[in-house]
Amino acid sequence: EIVMAQSPATLSVSPGDRATLSCRASQTINRDLAWYQQKPGQAPRLLIYAASTRATGVPARFSGSGSGTEFTLTISSLQSEDFAVYYCQEYNNWPSLTFGGGTKVEIK
Amino acid sequence: QLQLQESGPGLVKPSETLSLTCTVSGASINSDNYFWGWIRQPPGKTLEWIGSNYNGGSSFYNPSLESRVTISADSSRNQFSLKLRSVTAADTAAYYCVSLMPGGLPVLDVWGKGTTVTVSS
Repeated sequence: EIVMAQSPATLSVSPGDRATLSCRASQTINRDLAWYQQKPGQAPRLLIYAASTRATGVPARFSGSGSGTEFTLTISSLQSEDFAVYYCQEYNNWPSLTFGGGTKVEIK
Repeated sequence: QLQLQESGPGLVKPSETLSLTCTVSGASINSDNYFWGWIRQPPGKTLEWIGSNYNGGSSFYNPSLESRVTISADSSRNQFSLKLRSVTAADTAAYYCVSLMPGGLPVLDVWGKGTTVTVSS
């Protein structure tokens, strides 16, 4: 079983600042990684897949990088609507899928 | 545009079976392009993949739930369903139906709004 670890658990950021979120896999997953954004009371929304490909309609301020076991989601200039919880998900072990524990991005 | 909508009871008694349905609009459940699936999220916790169904046929399950789960499809109604047997309080969660990206890439492209299920007597 692949374990996905996200850090930090909570990130306090001022609007307009850059946010960097990390996701680590317990074994190599190549680039088989997606990122999701979830706002309170809403379903998650796909942001990034294949480690760095933005999903349709996702603003360019969201970018993903990494391969193997270490991955990063960067939000270049935080907007008010970006304060949310972010989850990474591996799919290297399909048909099994595993999510990380999430990072909450809150207003500083 | 593909849309998904969950439906089912919001309260289930311990030891009983949780049954949810996802109605698909904007695509055929038998399409070769789509995998369908269920995700759940206990209150305040992370997401958990329950299982997936391909093309209204074969299903795949999370090994931790496999002994209690069935995902099946109803082509005549363009729906797929989740049955989780012998539920306990640990099964209390928001349940989401999802579709994977067309072509089979296992990322969760479209989500239903979710439905909350509480297991309690």
